[in-house]
Amino acid sequence: DVKVTQSSRYLVKRTGEKVFLECVQDMDHENMFWYRQDPGLGLRLIYFSYDVKMKEKGDIPEGYSVSREKKERFSLILESASTNQTSMYLCASSPHPRGPTDTQYFGPGTRLTVL
Amino acid sequence: RKEVEQDPGPFNVPEGATVAFNCTYSNSASQSFFWYRQDCRKEPKLLMSVYSSGNEDGRFTAQLNRASQYISLLIRDSKLSDSATYLCVVNGADKLIFGTGTRLQVFP
Repeated sequence: DVKVTQSSRYLVKRTGEKVFLECVQDMDHENMFWYRQDPGLGLRLIYFSYDVKMKEKGDIPEGYSVSREKKERFSLILESASTNQTSMYLCASSPHPRGPTDTQYFGPGTRLTVL
Repeated sequence: RKEVEQDPGPFNVPEGATVAFNCTYSNSASQSFFWYRQDCRKEPKLLMSVYSSGNEDGRFTAQLNRASQYISLLIRDSKLSDSATYLCVVNGADKLIFGTGTRLQVFP
C-alpha cells in the first residue's frame, strides 16, 4: 500500500509565524503535490514537484513556498502565516508514467488554524 | 463555467437503494478520469478509475460519456458505510482537477 504521511494532523499558529508542513511518501513516487481544501471550493493545487529540487506553481501559490531536497519528502512553507491560510492541507504523491495527471495518493491532511 | 461540476447533494437514500451521480467536465481533451471517496475530515481515497469502456468494481460502476462530457458513478445496494463525499476528478493540461464533491448519506 502507498503510504503518505504528514507531520501533524492539527496545527495552531499565530499570524506572522513561519510554518512548515512536512510530507513523506514511501513508494518512490516521482511526483508530489500540495493542496488546500476549503468548504465549497474543493481541492486547490498550491505547488507540485515532479523531481528532486524541481517545483512548479499550482493555482494558488501566493504566500507559500516549497522544498524538495529528497525524493520522498516535500515540504510546504508558509512564509508569514495569515488568517486566510486557515485550511486543511493535503499532500499527495503519484508515480511517474503519466506525470502529474496520474492517480494521486493522499496523506491524512493537516488542519491548520492561524489565529 | 467550472472545469468540473458536480451536484453537491446531499443525496439521502435508504440502505439497499441504487444511487447515481453525474459529473460534467469542460475540457474535451481530458483523458484521465477518476472517482475518489472522502469521508468526513479524512483524506480523499481513490475509489476507481474511469475508462472509455466503463469500469465495474463490485457494487460500483463508473461510466464515461465523451460526447456529452460527463462521467457517472452508480452505487447498487447502498450500505451505511457508503456514506461519504464522492469527488469527480479529471485531468487538465498538467494537473488533476477535482470537483467539489457530491455528498451521499445512506440511512437505515
